[in-house]
Amino acid sequence: SQQGEEDPQALSIQEGENATMNCSYKTSINNLQWYRQNSGRGLVHLILIRSNEREKHSGRLRVTLDTSKKSSSLLITASRAADTASYFCATDMYNNNDMRFGAGTRLTVKP
Amino acid sequence: NAGVTQTPKFQVLKTGQSMTLQCAQDMNHEYMSWYRQDPGMGLRLIHYSVGAGITDQGEVPNGYNVSRSTTEDFPLRLLSAAPSQTSVYFCASSYPRTSGSYEQYFGPGTRLTVT
Repeated sequence: SQQGEEDPQALSIQEGENATMNCSYKTSINNLQWYRQNSGRGLVHLILIRSNEREKHSGRLRVTLDTSKKSSSLLITASRAADTASYFCATDMYNNNDMRFGAGTRLTVKP
Repeated sequence: NAGVTQTPKFQVLKTGQSMTLQCAQDMNHEYMSWYRQDPGMGLRLIHYSVGAGITDQGEVPNGYNVSRSTTEDFPLRLLSAAPSQTSVYFCASSYPRTSGSYEQYFGPGTRLTVT
């Protein structure tokens, strides 16, 4: 079964607005990653946050992790039309060699 | 570097046919994996390999076989295709987990339709 679940399933905003996506997971993790997928393409790694970290930044991306609630959020600030894509969280668990993905949030940024 | 390459890009099979999806990477990554992506379900892990000669099952391995004879290649075999295997297949690679690097690099995908 999938480990991560994203919320919302779809999000539509205007260019310049901020976009927030959430991810919940079920079991203890080693780290959590966010990936982006443009339509018809493979996934591209955005950012990784380790289980002992609470917040991480990369450019216009801000990721938070709350291990007590088993949840993470991805914030994209000052969104652009080029940010239109699906965003997936993926969890790495301890003592496990596989990575589990959520179903994704489809973000549409209108110009 | 070409990164992760997959062939073919598109394939149509009839029920019962077999085929091999090819995956290659030129980054000397030890870890490689195969996922399938179905609408509304995200990616599900089929099989993975932590190095040449070593493979293991993921979440949805039934109907698929893999082998890893070289570091570069990780083919996925469908032995007897079924309509339920209609999906988009992604291959990915990364450095070993023990390196502390967990980022996976994905190929462009193979869109498979089984009629």
